[in-house]
Amino acid sequence: RKEVEQDPGPFNVPEGATVAFNCTYSNSASQSFFWYRQDCRKEPKLLMSVYSSGNEDGRFTAQLNRASQYISLLIRDSKLSDSATYLCVAASSTGNQFYFGTGTSLTVIP
Amino acid sequence: GAGVSQSPSNKVTEKGKDVELRCDPISGHTALYWYRQSLGQGLEFLIYFQGNSAPDKSGLPSDRFSAERTGGSVSTLTIQRTQQEDSAVYLCASSLGSGQGAKNIQYFGAGTRLSVL
Repeated sequence: RKEVEQDPGPFNVPEGATVAFNCTYSNSASQSFFWYRQDCRKEPKLLMSVYSSGNEDGRFTAQLNRASQYISLLIRDSKLSDSATYLCVAASSTGNQFYFGTGTSLTVIP
Repeated sequence: GAGVSQSPSNKVTEKGKDVELRCDPISGHTALYWYRQSLGQGLEFLIYFQGNSAPDKSGLPSDRFSAERTGGSVSTLTIQRTQQEDSAVYLCASSLGSGQGAKNIQYFGAGTRLSVL
């Protein structure tokens, strides 16, 4: 079983829509979680950190459910510029290793 | 300030040749990671350096792969006798430290795109 699993999508949504991605992790001892954004042929860039139950930053909200071992990312009022692959990450219990999901592809359509 | 720098950005080599990929982490970052990303795939962990501790080499796919980190800063990933299946983007990341919390956030370089013909 993979450490982190994501629905690969693709998700194709119209501008202005709200879209949510879910991600599950297998190690119940993980303490730190992240969402990274990766544009085509570019490096991953940090979008949000999730250390407790959740985090909100403008149109983006991340939530953590430890009981069910999943993390979600909600994007409200989607913009064309949100089109990218979103990578879910769980850190190991020591924080020394990051386990990346394979990513969820989002395309926002005009 | 400067981010993580990787060179070369692109490398084309012939099967059987050795290649060296370089990573300059963010100044002051003690942790350095190497990953591999094949087309349409997720990031595959290769190796992790933290300060002066012995590196975690658990992700290296074969003994053709090795990495060094000199002086706690620059790192070199070496692939010997390259094979076509080694073709991928090799990404380097660094973090302020390790453990839980903001200090373990990883910042990535732009990667080296390796093509083995």
